[in-house]
Amino acid sequence: QSALTQPASVSGSPGQSVTISCTGSNINVGGSKYVSWYQQHPGKAPKVMIYDVSNRPSGVSNRFFGSKSGNTASLTISGLQAEDEADYYCSSYTSSGSFVFGTGTKVTVL
Amino acid sequence: EVQLVESGGGLVQPGGSLRLSCATSGFILTDYYMDWVRQAPGKGPEWVGRTTNKANSYTTEYAASVRGRFTISRDDSKNSLYLQMNSLKTEDTAVYYCATEYYYRLDAWGKGTTVTVSS
Repeated sequence: QSALTQPASVSGSPGQSVTISCTGSNINVGGSKYVSWYQQHPGKAPKVMIYDVSNRPSGVSNRFFGSKSGNTASLTISGLQAEDEADYYCSSYTSSGSFVFGTGTKVTVL
Repeated sequence: EVQLVESGGGLVQPGGSLRLSCATSGFILTDYYMDWVRQAPGKGPEWVGRTTNKANSYTTEYAASVRGRFTISRDDSKNSLYLQMNSLKTEDTAVYYCATEYYYRLDAWGKGTTVTVSS
């Protein structure tokens, strides 16, 4: 399957909000209840920040918000902090039982 | 605390083989689906495959890019997961992660082990 499409980079000043989009198709994002978002700092393993489109695991800040409309999912980070600077990947469980990931978005805190 | 520690990576020539291991602790391995995910340099993650849990008969599924070349196995008595990689290609060069799969998400990840396929 082709990777889900994300913008290469987004940036914002501390305290601002940024939104990352993730576009797929009806065999993944559009047809799946299971869209996740992962944060990855350089040299580290990915960490799940959002699952099932809009749920946050225990311990993840409520500044992270997930949503979906049609074939596009979105991750919004509000109250941007220096520690949020990282790469972010969306992922969808697909109709064939596999996972497909996004191309990745680098979030820069100005 | 859930811990996953991969090992076995290294440099291998095209056409060669390598076996990766993932040592687990902090949870009951028999209860969990376990996945392998890889990430090529500068790229996003790519799902490699999974083994289901004991209740689902330890079935395996693979991405099309590795099917027929890679084999996932597990030894729950040793709390370990394995990835046997044969007929390696240069495009298999990546950091390989093991991860727990929990209700359609990859919950916990190891730190990864690096595989380089080059002559």
